[in-house]
Amino acid sequence: EPEVTQTPSHQVTQMGQEVILRCVPISNHLYFYWYRQILGQKVEFLVSFYNNEISEKSEIFDDQFSVERPDGSNFTLKIRSTKLEDSAMYFCASSGTSGGPYEQYFGPGTRLTVT
Amino acid sequence: QQPVQSPQAVILREGEDAVINCSSSKALYSVHWYRQKHGEAPVFLMILLKGGEQKGHDKISASFNEKKQQSSLYLTASQLSYSGTYFCGTGRNRDDKIIFGKGTRLHILP
Repeated sequence: EPEVTQTPSHQVTQMGQEVILRCVPISNHLYFYWYRQILGQKVEFLVSFYNNEISEKSEIFDDQFSVERPDGSNFTLKIRSTKLEDSAMYFCASSGTSGGPYEQYFGPGTRLTVT
Repeated sequence: QQPVQSPQAVILREGEDAVINCSSSKALYSVHWYRQKHGEAPVFLMILLKGGEQKGHDKISASFNEKKQQSSLYLTASQLSYSGTYFCGTGRNRDDKIIFGKGTRLHILP
């Protein structure tokens, strides 16, 4: 069964450093999302991406964040200058082949720890 | 605006039933239900569309009352594997982001 994959599974970085989180969505999906979950809290939407551009972003997704789909398979989230409060689990999700509505399938997540 | 889930937590014995509710103050196109076990990603359970449909598989089913903007998840004859946090999420149209509620923690005792 196709699944969303994410790398790395855990990243530790120092405050102020740049990190890139990688995702490979399900191959024929059209819509891509990043969510994050601070430990013990709910899952929060960051950004959605469709047709090679951001379709929506939350207030969390400020200028420090960016997303890219550099090739036909990868979908990346970059945090330019990490802060302590960026420590969280980051989930990539993908959905949508044709028709609708679309179930969003989540990857296993990347645990980001900022020290 | 995030949907409101109730109850916050439930403790059941194996074989008992549970109902988890999700309500929104805004008109909805879809309601998504996920289960998340500790340290893992949310796992998709089902999606319901406006039109008031009911869905289910195995012993987990859900309903969506569009007029009341409410959804309920029904777990019957609960099994130990049902333990986890259940999140409902709402969407305004078919490819919309999911806005998740705070979750309902379900703990099944043997």
